[in-house]
Order: sequence, then structure tokens, then C-alpha cells
Amino acid sequence: GESVGLHLPTLSVQEGDNSIINCAYSNSASDYFIWYKQESGKGPQFIIDIRSNMDKRQGQRVTVLLNKTVKHLSLQIAATQPGDSAVYFCAENSYAGGTSYGKLTFGQGTILTVHP
Amino acid sequence: DARVTQTPRHKVTEMGQEVTMRCQPILGHNTVFWYRQTMMQGLELLAYFRNRAPLDDSGMPKDRFSAEMPDATLATLKIQPSEPRDSAVYFCASARGVGTEAFFGQGTRLTVV
Repeated sequence: GESVGLHLPTLSVQEGDNSIINCAYSNSASDYFIWYKQESGKGPQFIIDIRSNMDKRQGQRVTVLLNKTVKHLSLQIAATQPGDSAVYFCAENSYAGGTSYGKLTFGQGTILTVHP
Repeated sequence: DARVTQTPRHKVTEMGQEVTMRCQPILGHNTVFWYRQTMMQGLELLAYFRNRAPLDDSGMPKDRFSAEMPDATLATLKIQPSEPRDSAVYFCASARGVGTEAFFGQGTRLTVV
């Protein structure tokens, strides 16, 4: 029978445009968040992180915004380049007690395609 | 250049066989994660360790999967017996501590036929 896979959100942009990738997280006890980039055939690669006592953090061409009220995280990529094409994941670190302490769980991912 | 090393990179095995995947975390990292990635489920956390002690393996099928850290430089994930539905890419990641970035290995692509 036909297999059904995850239907990942997709974002297509032109080279040079800004990209915004969104992520909703579920655990209000999460205190640390990371964005990862995964290229085909490779493991996820760290892009930028943010702690729950901040609402914005900037890196080189990337900015992460955190809205704890609605449990929402976004990744902004400025002047997107073809090399930015990949799957992007947000991950949350649980600060809950017991066995969930330090548990790092991932969202479903977003496929970013950058057209030259 | 510190990195997480996983072996083997690829493994094809027959249903019913035992599979062992190995991971060498980055030296000095005390937290190790095992993830499974499939098109159906995305990146699932199977188990994780801190200071070699298992903290949470609730994501792992207990009847056939086992994860251990014989020492600080080696983490293993074993499947016995393997089944076709175990076909996936298995990633190991390590972190310096709680609330720090996790670094991923290149993964082991497992195919069970």
C-alpha cells in the first residue's frame, strides 16, 4: 500500500529575499531552544539558540524570536542564499524535573528551498 | 576538530538479525542522545544519558531495543531482533551539559530487509 509520510511545511523563496520559518512548541517547562539545519545525507547542524529569559537573539544573517506567551519560535534568515536550502528544525530543552530534565525534543521541520 | 563519530555509516541486514550501532561523543561531553529519523515520524528521541546514566528511554521499544554507555567514550544502540520497520537513520548527539547545544553525528542508515 501507499505509505504516508510527514507533510512538512515548505517555504520557497528567491535568492536575496528574507525567510521566516516558524515553530510552535508544546512544553511550557522548556527553557532553552535551538534551531538546526539539516542538509540531505547529513546530521542536523546547530544554527542559533535562545534561552527563555530572552525574546530575541541575533547571529550572522539569522535572528531567532521567542514568544513564550503563545509558545512560538521563529527563525529569520536575511538575504537567503541557495546554500541555505535545507530542512530546518526547532528543538526544545525541557527543564522539568525528574527524567525529563534536559530532554531535547524536535519539531517536525520545515523545508526551505531557495531559487537562484 | 571535535565531532561526534558514528559507526557504521550504513548497515543492511536481514530481519531477525542483531544490529549494533556505536557512537563516540565529543570528549568532555556528559550528555548523549539517540534519535531515529524516518519520513513517517521525523526526529524521535529514543533515549538519552547523562554522565553515562540513562535518564529517559521512554521513546524506545523496550522489547527489542537497548542503549548503553559502557564508558564515557562509547554509546551503543542495539536492536535484537531487527525488523523491517526499524529501517531509518539513527543519530547520536552529545552535549556539554544541560541547556547547551547538542552536536550530531552523521548518522547510521539502517535497512532491514
